[in-house]
Amino acid sequence: DIVMTQSPDSLAVSLGERATINCKSSQSVLYSSNNKNYLAWYQQKPGQPPKLLIYWASTRESGVPDRFSGSGSGTDFTLTISSLQAEDVAVYYCQQYYSTPPVTFGPGTKVDIK
Amino acid sequence: EVQLVESGGGLVKPGGSLRLSCAASGFTFSSYSMNWVRQAPGKGLEWVSSISSSSSYIYYADSVKGRFTISRDNAKNSLYLQMNSLRAEDTAVYYCARSGEEQWLGNWGQGTLVTVSS
Repeated sequence: DIVMTQSPDSLAVSLGERATINCKSSQSVLYSSNNKNYLAWYQQKPGQPPKLLIYWASTRESGVPDRFSGSGSGTDFTLTISSLQAEDVAVYYCQQYYSTPPVTFGPGTKVDIK
Repeated sequence: EVQLVESGGGLVKPGGSLRLSCAASGFTFSSYSMNWVRQAPGKGLEWVSSISSSSSYIYYADSVKGRFTISRDNAKNSLYLQMNSLRAEDTAVYYCARSGEEQWLGNWGQGTLVTVSS
């Protein structure tokens, strides 16, 4: 199984500042035949189900604000919130879908306001 | 609008059984793979099981294999999870989730809480 790790475990960022979350997979999730990274990002606010933010490592889901962006390739990925808003307080998870089953999630990164 | 509504959770004793349901609406249910994902209290997300659109392909996490059974009824737009031989470590909120073009999870229900305790 592919193991996903995230760093940091939590971070506190001032409103309007940049938040950066890292995700690493134990093996590459880049499929060479289509040059796509099989990685997604989710946001989970307290008391709510997860919400898909990004798939293919960098494609924003419809309706997701453009302050959210994904980057990276192979085994190392980043979710960036360019200008943190109060409504962005949540736990963020990465997930690989390159080698399934099982899909596997990272342990999550909690984002708070400083 | 895509809607997924889980039901069937509750308190059950260790060794007991429970059947979860997920009612889907707002999309062509029979065209999508579906999943169950769980989240223990205060913990992260754990994929539990997946079923393809026509039920041809079914997969389970090792932690539930042999105890849980996923199924679907495309005529009723419903997904199910039969859970037997429940253990304390199965205590979690269980989410129904729709797969995207690949195995990302594009839509989630609100979840149903399963508590296994004596």
